Amino acid sequence: GEDVEQSLFLSVREGDSSVINCTYTDSSSTYLYWYKQEPGAGLQLLTYIFSNMDMKQDQRLTVLLNKKDKHLSLRIADTQTGDSAIYFCAEGLGGFKTIFGAGTRLFVKA
Amino acid sequence: KAGVTQTPRYLIKTRGQQVTLSCSPISGHRSVSWYQQTPGQGLQFLFEYFSETQRNKGNFPGRFSGRQFSNSRSEMNVSTLELGDSALYLCASSLGDSNEQFFGPGTRLTVL
Repeated sequence: GEDVEQSLFLSVREGDSSVINCTYTDSSSTYLYWYKQEPGAGLQLLTYIFSNMDMKQDQRLTVLLNKKDKHLSLRIADTQTGDSAIYFCAEGLGGFKTIFGAGTRLFVKA
Repeated sequence: KAGVTQTPRYLIKTRGQQVTLSCSPISGHRSVSWYQQTPGQGLQFLFEYFSETQRNKGNFPGRFSGRQFSNSRSEMNVSTLELGDSALYLCASSLGDSNEQFFGPGTRLTVL
């Protein structure tokens, strides 16, 4: 089946690192994505990783992919209050279909 | 380059009515996908269109339908509205050859 799961909430202090985890079930995914949604806005693509990669770093963002365990994580270094948002993990499947997780709400305490 | 636009941004309807939502993709993008976002279910895939053809659809009843025009603009229609259809409806466009999608701000539909 097609399912993406992620924890619903994460709270961190400003300046700390945030790690948001995600698991997925479909092994045929081609790309895995992290999107950010701020209040009242649509989703913004943060970063993505091709399914044959293990890691991707993009400034403060590090994506780790464990394909064997079907586990994806997003690490945000030096988390800022502006990073407070909902973060969605998503897997891109064949047929141009994308399955999203329920989203992790990140709270950043000053 | 202008982003994905959706109209209207807010809509209030009553049960049994029908509604049409519109999405204009980024210029040059030929793929448009629709999603329903609710607090309980998260983001659910409705359908995807490319060059006026529906290429994929999610698990929604036939009351949910869509179409795409030759200029890549897309509309989504929901007939016989139910209370549970209250949600944020998001549209996303892409070039069509990858899954990298760009989202619009959404249309918030409230069914009373």
